[in-house]
Order: sequence, then structure tokens, then C-alpha cells
Amino acid sequence: GAVVSQHPSRVICKSGTSVKIECRSLDFQATTMFWYRQFPKQSLMLMATSNEGSKATYEQGVEKDKFLINHASLTLSTLTVTSAHPEDSSFYICSARAGGLPANTEAFFGQGTRLTVV
Amino acid sequence: AQSVTQLGSHVSVSEGALVLLRCNYSSSVPPYLFWYVQYPNQGLQLLLKYTSAATLVKGINGFEAEFKKSETSFHLTKPSAHMSDAAEYFCAVTKGGTSYDKVIFGPGTSLSVIP
Repeated sequence: GAVVSQHPSRVICKSGTSVKIECRSLDFQATTMFWYRQFPKQSLMLMATSNEGSKATYEQGVEKDKFLINHASLTLSTLTVTSAHPEDSSFYICSARAGGLPANTEAFFGQGTRLTVV
Repeated sequence: AQSVTQLGSHVSVSEGALVLLRCNYSSSVPPYLFWYVQYPNQGLQLLLKYTSAATLVKGINGFEAEFKKSETSFHLTKPSAHMSDAAEYFCAVTKGGTSYDKVIFGPGTSLSVIP
């Protein structure tokens, strides 16, 4: 299957600082990327959908000014958690799909990033 | 709105026993369904997907799922559980008609395999 690389896999930051997470599709053009947040023992909660070259579409309840998403190229999307607080600590996962294909085209997932805000 | 439910947040089976993980969907026609597996602190890996070409779908690692429209179900099965199958399993549905559309996940089922 296709490869999606997410970096870093683990990050610890101080409260009030910002953290950037990168998601790269290594062997296909990811027209659409998705960012999820996962709490322990829970499912993935979709935060936002981004299409290359467009503004991200955020899910209801997700603060767009806090979780900045940039999808500047067909292989890279970034999620920046601004002014992080302990409650932002979570497992963040990106996924990517090639665009313009049938709806049963699977999404490929990054390895996830464990964010801990202290 | 499309969604999936997974009955049983935790399933425990003995090694060698049948694995059955349940997934029911509510969606407008047609549903596009997926099963993903997640190992601890990792991303998700696709097990199989429903493509409408066949109601019985075979996936990786010996898993398969049967799409039953009359029951709005897409249950995941494996004839004989292996210790390495212990993981979190998610049923997912895509909303919309193209790959631009988002994938919505069910709550997940944690599978434990007892030696």
C-alpha cells in the first residue's frame, strides 16, 4: 500500500508554545488529507479535511485558530497546535487519499504523533 | 448522516477460536465501508474494504467481511484467532461519492486473544 509518513512520532512541549506536525505522502499525490485526534481507548475524531491549495474544512467544535492546517503541496500537510495547553495532549493522526477517485478508495494513515503538553 | 456502530467495545477470544467483530451502518445508498486495524501507538492499517463487486470481501491476515444490505451490517470475521490479532479494530464509512470526502470511524472494538 501507499506510504504516509508522519513526523514527529512523539513530542513534549511546554504550555504556551506551538508544535508543528508534518504529514507526507511518499509515493502518491495526496489531494486530500485528514487530521484526526484520538483520546486513549477511543475512536478517531475527525478534526479537519484539507484539499491541496485550499483552506481546510474544520469539523464542528474544532478551533481553527488553534489547530492551523496547511496543505501547500500534493505531498505535504502540516498541523500546528498553537499556544498548546495540557488539554491538547493527545494522539494526532493524519491520513491521505488520492483525489478524484471512487469513494471506496482507501485512506492511508501516518504513524501518529503523541503530543504531551507539560 | 452516515455513521457506523460497533457492538461490543471489547471482545475476548481464545487463540484458535472464531473472531467476530460487529459493524452496522446507517447511510444513504451506496455505503462505502472499510475495516482498519490499529496496533498500540501506531496509525491505522487497512484490512479490507467493500467495493460492491462482491458481498463477501477477503482482506489481509485471514480476515473477511460480509456486506448484508438487509441487515445493514458489515461484520468482520476470522476463522482462527492468532495472538498477533490482538489490536483495536475500526469499522469506517466514507461520506460522499468521491475520495475527496471524509472517512468516519466507528467507536472501535478492542480484541484480546487469550492463549
